[in-house]
Amino acid sequence: EDQVTQSPEALRLQEGESSSLNCSYTVSGLRGLFWYRQDPGKGPEFLFTLYSAGEEKEKERLKATLTKKESFLHITAPKPEDSATYLCAVQGVKTSYDKVIFGPGTSLSVIP
Amino acid sequence: SAVISQKPSRDICQRGTSLTIQCQVDSQVTMMFWYRQQPGQSLTLIATANQGSEATYESGFVIDKFPISRPNLTFSTLTVSNMSPEDSSIYLCSGDPGGNEQFFGPGTRLTVL
Repeated sequence: EDQVTQSPEALRLQEGESSSLNCSYTVSGLRGLFWYRQDPGKGPEFLFTLYSAGEEKEKERLKATLTKKESFLHITAPKPEDSATYLCAVQGVKTSYDKVIFGPGTSLSVIP
Repeated sequence: SAVISQKPSRDICQRGTSLTIQCQVDSQVTMMFWYRQQPGQSLTLIATANQGSEATYESGFVIDKFPISRPNLTFSTLTVSNMSPEDSSIYLCSGDPGGNEQFFGPGTRLTVL
């Protein structure tokens, strides 16, 4: 059964203090791994898709990387506006109807 | 990408009644999805809606409780039937424009008294 876990559950950083969020997954053949950002009271906002081990994607202060068992979302010199919940999701090759499995999320707080 | 809107954005309903949530996409999408998100929790898939066929429901969700319509490639509705307080949640729809990524609406916050 496809599974996604994320750690830590919550992370509190000082502004400018770089760190990484982890997403560990179990899937029978990875079709894609997705990162989303969700602000309180809003729907998830798409950030990245990663398809194969070794792939990296960057957007402003965020960089997502992928290995065969996990993905990291690196946040460099974060700002308070980066505070949000970050969700990881996976889609397996055997998944029907293009559905994805979401992890529980990491709640990030960046303190000025 | 796709821009998705939902109506209503929030509602307060009495137990035993039904609420229909509308989801509109600004472009044609093959697959649409309906999720439930409890406060502080992640997303749980309710069902997948493909235009022209019946929705596919996940374990624990049934058509009688959550009937879904998908009349065309840009629109879907989810009805929450015979509501109880346990149905209080945020309901989200998403669309897959073909690149595997899903784009989400802003959600509907439902409170059942």
